[in-house]
Amino acid sequence: QPVLTQPPSASASLGASVTLTCTLSSGYSNYKVDWYQQRPGKGPRFVMRVGTGGIVGSKGDGIPDRFSVLGSGPNRYLTIKNIQEEDESDYHCGADHGSGSNFVEVFGGGTKLTVL
Amino acid sequence: QITLKESGPTLVRPTETLTLTCAFSGFSLRTSGVGVGWIRQPPGKALEWLALIHWDDDKRYSPSLKSRLTINKDTSKNQVVLIMTNMDPVDTATYFCAHRASPNGDYGTSPFDYWGQGSLVIVSP
Repeated sequence: QPVLTQPPSASASLGASVTLTCTLSSGYSNYKVDWYQQRPGKGPRFVMRVGTGGIVGSKGDGIPDRFSVLGSGPNRYLTIKNIQEEDESDYHCGADHGSGSNFVEVFGGGTKLTVL
Repeated sequence: QITLKESGPTLVRPTETLTLTCAFSGFSLRTSGVGVGWIRQPPGKALEWLALIHWDDDKRYSPSLKSRLTINKDTSKNQVVLIMTNMDPVDTATYFCAHRASPNGDYGTSPFDYWGQGSLVIVSP
């Protein structure tokens, strides 16, 4: 099954841009990845799904246009432009693998985004 | 509008059995392609997927926890129940339930697009 790797932390100034990275382990570079935002004390919120060709399907409810994704090789990127205070959150990536009794859903360790 | 809400005990003793309920609205677990999953998050740590149940009662479990987990649905009540046996302090976490729906009405890959607020479970003597 794939392993998803995320840097533990990132920071950006108010109004700036930041790109968060989720890296798929070897052999899984064609997998789609889901990005989730988790504000302090809240449940995760689906942002969008990304494959090698970019966004797959639709963004989650209420996700602003400032959020975009790209995929390149084993990396899946989430870019946030014009960062706002409310973007300060943990960002998780997830992917599913297998089918039937072999199905698993895996998550990365999460990246804590600090808005300066 | 899809909503999910978890409920259950906050404190559980070691070796006890945990029962959590996910009450949902805005969708039906009779609809092809729809599933409800359980995911947990220990304090300060990563998300960990536990189990998933589909509209047709198909069930999937985390391999590492499969022997301790049971997931069931009550379609008439719009509820999904997760049972975890032999609780240990390492199981201390916030437990979330979440909705997913394959656009093709099958088991196809899809994100967890709606989540509950979570239910904190502390395992302590």
